[in-house]
Amino acid sequence: DVKVTQSSRYLVKRTGEKVFLECVQDMDHENMFWYRQDPGLGLRLIYFSYDVKMKEKGDIPEGYSVSREKKERFSLILESASTNQTSMYLCASSLPRGSNTEAFFGQGTRLTVV
Amino acid sequence: GENVEQHPSTLSVQEGDSAVIKCTYSDSASNYFPWYKQELGKRPQLIIDIRSNVGEKKDQRIAVTLNKTAKHFSLHITETQPEDSAVYFCAASIISSASKIIFGSGTRLSIRP
Repeated sequence: DVKVTQSSRYLVKRTGEKVFLECVQDMDHENMFWYRQDPGLGLRLIYFSYDVKMKEKGDIPEGYSVSREKKERFSLILESASTNQTSMYLCASSLPRGSNTEAFFGQGTRLTVV
Repeated sequence: GENVEQHPSTLSVQEGDSAVIKCTYSDSASNYFPWYKQELGKRPQLIIDIRSNVGEKKDQRIAVTLNKTAKHFSLHITETQPEDSAVYFCAASIISSASKIIFGSGTRLSIRP
């Protein structure tokens, strides 16, 4: 079974803090993604990475950065957390091509910024 | 970039009836269209997908249709059951070495007993 694991299920941080969300996958997937999920807005892509040290902005990258130093790990960084970044964050990974390009999701991190 | 619109945002159907969820996409280069189901408190999971070389695909009570000319694709669930209650997301992407997966805004499906 593919496993995508996010480091925390729940986080509470203060405004202005630097926040790190970690995601690890064990299936040697090239593609990794960070989404945020808000009611009525679906899954919005923040950043994605298609290889080590490679990244591309998604639809809502402002206020976020990412790091992919190893293939299995993709980190989302909130440089200075703000209350409007309170949300559910979902990491996913997939193969870019082939017969199975299914994206597998982590369990999510619910971040509250106070 | 790709934009995926999904309708309706909420859908309530009687148990045993059919449910249809519709999506449109903007990027004509998109060639892979998955559907994900997210049950309450759980992660999204793939339920069915379709590639652009196919017009329809079925898996038991679930089917997906694709109209590339109109850039529409739809999820059909027949003989709905209580366990079908969930949020459903459509998505679009391009099968290649570096491709985003863009999701629709989701449909909350409720099955009335």
